[in-house]
Amino acid sequence: EVQLVESGGGLVQPGGSLRLSCAASGFTFSDRWMHWVRQVPGKGLMWVSQIHPDGRMTTYADSVKGRFTIARDNTKNTLYLQMNSLRAEDTAVYYCTSFGPGKFDYWGQGNLVTVSS
Amino acid sequence: DIVMTQSPDSLAVSLGERATINCKSSQSVLSSSNNHNSLTWYQKKPGQPPKVLIYWASVRESGVPDRFSGSGSGTDFTLTINSLQAEDVAVYYCQQYYSPPYTFGQGTKLEI
Repeated sequence: EVQLVESGGGLVQPGGSLRLSCAASGFTFSDRWMHWVRQVPGKGLMWVSQIHPDGRMTTYADSVKGRFTIARDNTKNTLYLQMNSLRAEDTAVYYCTSFGPGKFDYWGQGNLVTVSS
Repeated sequence: DIVMTQSPDSLAVSLGERATINCKSSQSVLSSSNNHNSLTWYQKKPGQPPKVLIYWASVRESGVPDRFSGSGSGTDFTLTINSLQAEDVAVYYCQQYYSPPYTFGQGTKLEI
């Protein structure tokens, strides 16, 4: 059974940092591009970042570039998102997801990050 | 960036009737390398992650009821839901993965 289990969310003050983790099982993690997608409460979905299977190539949405860092540890089958200089507008449910042929096929349950003083 | 525009923003359809949701991309998402449209349709319910309905614009995901279908190519796409069921109440999103950032449409809220 495929599982993506996220952790690390919570409440953080503006300007603070948080690291999200996503533990994968049930598929060959090291073969997959991995992504983060977020959804602001009551709003639509927004793609955040992606990382190549070997971890050497990353891409970011403009709104998080320079503040967020995506990484992976293929020995632990785990994806990370380091979020620095957090802003109120980063408040969202963050999903990790993997890319299969033609689709983002596996998704975590989502992890709420709240940026507020 | 490729802008994805869905219409309508919301839609009310009676049980058993048909729902049609449109998605337009600001540039073609047809890949010349594999002749597939890099376009996926998702269903999103509160408290749940997105669920794949249709990929490559017209291929139904395994396990998705055949009342869901996708069509279109290039820049114009359509999701059709026939014989609407109560469990189809959700927000539907199209997404392109032709080039990053992999943008979503703004969503279409489907109600009974």
